[in-house]
Amino acid sequence: EAGVAQSPRYKIIEKRQSVAFWCNPISGHATLYWYQQILGQGPKLLIQFQNNGVVDDSQLPKDRFSAERLKGVDSTLKIQPAKLEDSAVYLCASSLGFLRDGYTFGSGTRLTVV
Amino acid sequence: KQEVTQIPAALSVPEGENLVLNCSFTDSAIYNLQWFRQDPGKGLTSLLLIQSSQREQTSGRLNASLDKSSGRSTLYIAASQPGDSATYLCAVRSARQLTFGSGTQLTVLP
Repeated sequence: EAGVAQSPRYKIIEKRQSVAFWCNPISGHATLYWYQQILGQGPKLLIQFQNNGVVDDSQLPKDRFSAERLKGVDSTLKIQPAKLEDSAVYLCASSLGFLRDGYTFGSGTRLTVV
Repeated sequence: KQEVTQIPAALSVPEGENLVLNCSFTDSAIYNLQWFRQDPGKGLTSLLLIQSSQREQTSGRLNASLDKSSGRSTLYIAASQPGDSATYLCAVRSARQLTFGSGTQLTVLP
């Protein structure tokens, strides 16, 4: 079974620039999550999709972050404009969608804002 | 609001030792608990998933226990090896979301 694919692996941008991350979940997984992990902390949920609908985006900084999941498969997370405090690893995860299912994570995208 | 705490934050042990990592959570209304491993600069690898109705799960040298009523889980690693060096994260699944602890950074010295 192919895992969760993410790209790019690394990205360095200047503050106020924009950046986009891409995620391809495991085939058949209805639920997709984006997490932000700041160095030394546990991952924090940014947004959760069920198929192509948003289930929870309460912790997404909507003034600068946006995400979409077209056709209920791939997803893109965008930051515009980036701030220094956005430097983190952005993790994508997917699950079948049932409450008792485990999560499978991708390798993440390490973003450095300078 | 669910809060997850992991103690210790860092641990260094000599190769061959058995060790225990601790995880506690504040709200016992959970569906499951998942232990992950994270290598530096990498994503999360799932180690064990324990459903709320289960007491423990085992995989190779790893054994995870769950006491839902007291809000605690432990990850036991037998005969530790340098390759076990990583950060170990526990995550608790409630109806709303998966909540993570800050992790325990484990170093196994050869």
